[in-house]
Parts: sequence; structure tokens; C-alpha cells
Amino acid sequence: KQEVTQIPAALSVPEGENLVLNCSFTDSAIYNLQWFRQDPGKGLTSLLLIQSSQREQTSGRLNASLDKSSGRSTLYIAASQPGDSATYLCAVGSNYQLIWGAGTKLIIKP
Amino acid sequence: GAGVSQSPSNKVTEKGKDVELRCDPISGHTALYWYRQSLGQGLEFLIYFQGNSAPDKSGLPSDRFSAERTGGSVSTLTIQRTQQEDSAVYLCASSPSPGPSGELFFGEGSRLTVL
Repeated sequence: KQEVTQIPAALSVPEGENLVLNCSFTDSAIYNLQWFRQDPGKGLTSLLLIQSSQREQTSGRLNASLDKSSGRSTLYIAASQPGDSATYLCAVGSNYQLIWGAGTKLIIKP
Repeated sequence: GAGVSQSPSNKVTEKGKDVELRCDPISGHTALYWYRQSLGQGLEFLIYFQGNSAPDKSGLPSDRFSAERTGGSVSTLTIQRTQQEDSAVYLCASSPSPGPSGELFFGEGSRLTVL
């Protein structure tokens, strides 16, 4: 059974720092992995989608990597800004389902 | 519309009442999902529609929950005889591709409070 874990559950860093969020999964047989952000009281916004054949995807200050063999993905945020404060979730496409992590709550301090 | 639209955005109801939540997906998207997110919790899968195929109802928590998708577009999630533990944000997502292979686009959710 696929399980997805996100560590840490919460993270607070000063503005301007580069940071890494982690997502791990137990079964390497995946279709893809997606990173989302969720602002308080809002729905989810898709950030990056990495297909199983890909190693990484980049969008602006965000870079997501995927290592299936080790069951890990990282979301790298460069030059963090207060507007990056949100909860970040990863979801793994596996066994015809999407399996979700519980999220990392990120706070960027001005 | 440009994005996934959900209504109502907020619903307060009394225990025992029925509620209907609506989702209008992005035009042309064949896949539609309903999720539930309780306070401080992750997303809980409820139901998945793909085209004209029979929906995957494996996530519905009880027979008080049902959903339909008319004409392959708008979907309605119905909760009968609501209980306090039904209080949560109900999120709808659509995708242009079937199954887990496609990118998901979420609505802003319907926040349900059962008193």
C-alpha cells in the first residue's frame, strides 16, 4: 500500500532564504508526482507535475526533483518571499489513485 | 468558465438536514474528483468520475453520501442526514486526463459546518 509522508509538518524561515520541502513515498511504482500549494481557506493550486520518466521540473523560483528508486521528491524554493507562505502538499499517482501527503505548512518571516 | 467553480462557498446547517454541494469543472475536462479536508488533516478521497464510466465510489464514508455527474459536466455531492463529523471543506477537482496521470485543477472548496 502506497504511503506518502511529508517532513517537516511545519517550517518557518526568514525571507530570502532558499529552502527544501520533502516528500517520500513507499512504493516506487508511480505514474507521476504533483506538488500543490494551499492558501488558508482556499483550494489547491498545482505547482509542478513530474511524470515518472522525468527527474525534475522547474517553474520560476520552484524546482521539484524526483528520485523513484529512493522514493523521494523535493521541492526547492529559491529566494523565499512572504507570499510563499502556504501549505505545500505532494500527491503521488499510484495504483490508479492519487495518494496525498499531509502537507508542510511554510511560513516566511519578513 | 476559466477554472473549477464550487458552490456554495460556505454552508452552515443543522444536524440531520440534507445538503447539496455543486461543482462546475473546467470545460472539456473528463475527470472529476471530490475530496474532503477536515481541519488540520490531509485530503480524503471521496469519489471519482471519468467520462461515461461508472464512478469510483470507494472513498464515500457512508451511504449518507452520494454524488452524480450530469451530462459529463456539473457534479453534485449530496450528504443526507448530516452529522457534526461531516463538517469539513469539500474540494472538487477536474483533470483533462483520466486516472492519476493528469494534472488536477481544484476549486476553492465548499466549507460545510454542521451544528
